[in-house]
Amino acid sequence: GEDVEQSLFLSVREGDSSVINCTYTDSSSTYLYWYKQEPGAGLQLLTYIFSNMDMKQDQRLTVLLNKKDKHLSLRIADTQTGDSAIYFCAGGARRKLIFGQGTELSVKP
Amino acid sequence: DTEVTQTPKHLVMGMTNKKSLKCEQHMGHRAMYWYKQKAKKPPELMFVYSYEKLSINESVPSRFSPECPNSSLLNLHLHALQPEDSALYLCASSQRGDSYNEQFFGPGTRLTVL
Repeated sequence: GEDVEQSLFLSVREGDSSVINCTYTDSSSTYLYWYKQEPGAGLQLLTYIFSNMDMKQDQRLTVLLNKKDKHLSLRIADTQTGDSAIYFCAGGARRKLIFGQGTELSVKP
Repeated sequence: DTEVTQTPKHLVMGMTNKKSLKCEQHMGHRAMYWYKQKAKKPPELMFVYSYEKLSINESVPSRFSPECPNSSLLNLHLHALQPEDSALYLCASSQRGDSYNEQFFGPGTRLTVL
């Protein structure tokens, strides 16, 4: 079945760029999503990319998709302390979203 | 209105209690979902309703009983829960019940079972 993997932790300094990586196994995922979850809150949809795209930019967020390697990344430019959260990538497969384990981003002032 | 709302925010219940969680959306979405999430883990899908019919049940124990009274409302009825059922319960909705639609999540209900 579909499997989605992420590294568990990332620590950056305020103002630096953050890059969160994700790999997936099911090449039939048509859309790939990035969600953000702050402590005690629900999941917030940040952005998504269609599988026939290589890149999508949305203000400080850049999503890169390498279909050959089944690798997805989320770059956050000028990372702020308010970006501290858990970031989940998710792929659509067989009517479900399959989530990665989540990457906990810690932003140090 | 682009929001999914959930009530209550917090719920504490004993193992013999019966309670219900409520979820509402007014985005005209035709699919609604229940997820269970443990701390710092990804959400686990429990149920999917598509056009008010139950389309996916991920082998959830019968002490959890979902209900979709109309396309805007989703309930989760709880009875005889166990302490290991303590978790954040998230509701989500999407335009349609397939994997091609982004899902929008509510803030969740934090459930504690004593």
